[in-house]
Amino acid sequence: NAGVTQTPKFQVLKTGQSMTLQCAQDMNHEYMSWYRQDPGMGLRLIHYSVGAGITDQGEVPNGYNVSRSTTEDFPLRLLSAAPSQTSVYFCASSPTQGNQPQHFGDGTRLSIL
Amino acid sequence: AQSVTQPDIHITVSEGASLELRCNYSYGATPYLFWYVQSPGQGLQLLLKYFSGDTLVQGIKGFEAEFKRSQSSFNLRKPSVHWSDAAEYFCAVGAKTSYDKVIFGPGTSLSVIP
Repeated sequence: NAGVTQTPKFQVLKTGQSMTLQCAQDMNHEYMSWYRQDPGMGLRLIHYSVGAGITDQGEVPNGYNVSRSTTEDFPLRLLSAAPSQTSVYFCASSPTQGNQPQHFGDGTRLSIL
Repeated sequence: AQSVTQPDIHITVSEGASLELRCNYSYGATPYLFWYVQSPGQGLQLLLKYFSGDTLVQGIKGFEAEFKRSQSSFNLRKPSVHWSDAAEYFCAVGAKTSYDKVIFGPGTSLSVIP
């Protein structure tokens, strides 16, 4: 049972480039979410999804896009990377009856030059 | 404003000593409270959660936390710390039906001296 899998683990981009961070879970969880972690700020919610075909914005959605075509996958797209998006990104999931993220991936460390 | 504060940025304890990590929250609705642990290079792991009922909750890895409504606190404790407990600890608060409203504190980094 793999849990929540994020790829890549590390990525360096140039300002203006776009890319997609992948997230997949094999637990049939309805809820999935993306957070960014910055020093001294804890985790901040970017986007979340309560099921396939349903997404919504979190606290810091600007510059990011998501889609949820299947229960398993929840990719995060950076449309035009900016240095302010340098961060560690975590994907999380929880079952329908959960009200908080329960399972986290190991993170993607992203640097924007 | 809704917020979570963890007054201690970094704590160092000796192996075998007791541990208490502080968490205070400001939340308009009835709070649901959580503690997570993050080992280096890994994602967060849910240690325990409080929804209602007994204000002393038990979690995994020998941790417990006590909810004190009058003090708006949810402190994490462990009677005897092990070297493997060295990690970052996050307190979080949320509401019953608002997945998007889970707010994380800034974290407390724990170092353990052998």
